[in-house]
Amino acid sequence: RKEVEQDPGPFNVPEGATVAFNCTYSNSASQSFFWYRQDCRKEPKLLMSVYSSGNEDGRFTAQLNRASQYISLLIRDSKLSDSATYLCVVNAWMDSSYKLIFGSGTRLLVRP
Amino acid sequence: NAGVTQTPKFQVLKTGQSMTLQCAQDMNHNSMYWYRQDPGMGLRLIYYSASEGTTDKGEVPNGYNVSRLNKREFSLRLESAAPSQTSVYFCASSENSGGLQETQYFGPGTRLLVL
Repeated sequence: RKEVEQDPGPFNVPEGATVAFNCTYSNSASQSFFWYRQDCRKEPKLLMSVYSSGNEDGRFTAQLNRASQYISLLIRDSKLSDSATYLCVVNAWMDSSYKLIFGSGTRLLVRP
Repeated sequence: NAGVTQTPKFQVLKTGQSMTLQCAQDMNHNSMYWYRQDPGMGLRLIYYSASEGTTDKGEVPNGYNVSRLNKREFSLRLESAAPSQTSVYFCASSENSGGLQETQYFGPGTRLLVL
């Protein structure tokens, strides 16, 4: 079983739609959670951290459910520029330090 | 501020050839990382350097070596390239390893094809 699992998609949605991605993680001791965005043939960049109480950044809302070990990302009013792959990232304590474990990503296509 | 830079951007090697991927950061970060990214898989950690003078294996270290030349630079070496090492390689840096809620900053990547 992968440590971080995501639906690969693609999610194909019209501009203005609301879309949600889920991600599950296997390490119950993980303490930090993130969503990174990766554009085609580019490097990953931090989109937002995910806090226990849930957090919002403009059109983006992240939620964490520790009991079920899943993280979600909601994008409201989708823009063409939101088209990208969204990586779910979880930290894990390994070999005396925290390491980031990356999901394989969910691809989003926003169409006009 | 260039952030994290990597060279080369693209490389084609024949099986058995060697090469070194270069990475540098100008953010005065203590920790640096090398990842590979393959289709359908998440980024996988190859090696990391928590601080200048230290290096440690990650999830997939076999076939690679690293050097933390100084605080800015962290290189990845393939001694004898194999087709299984065809991948996109990303270098990253962060202020410190082991920090909760710590952001990693990535370089633009090196696309490597081993024939």
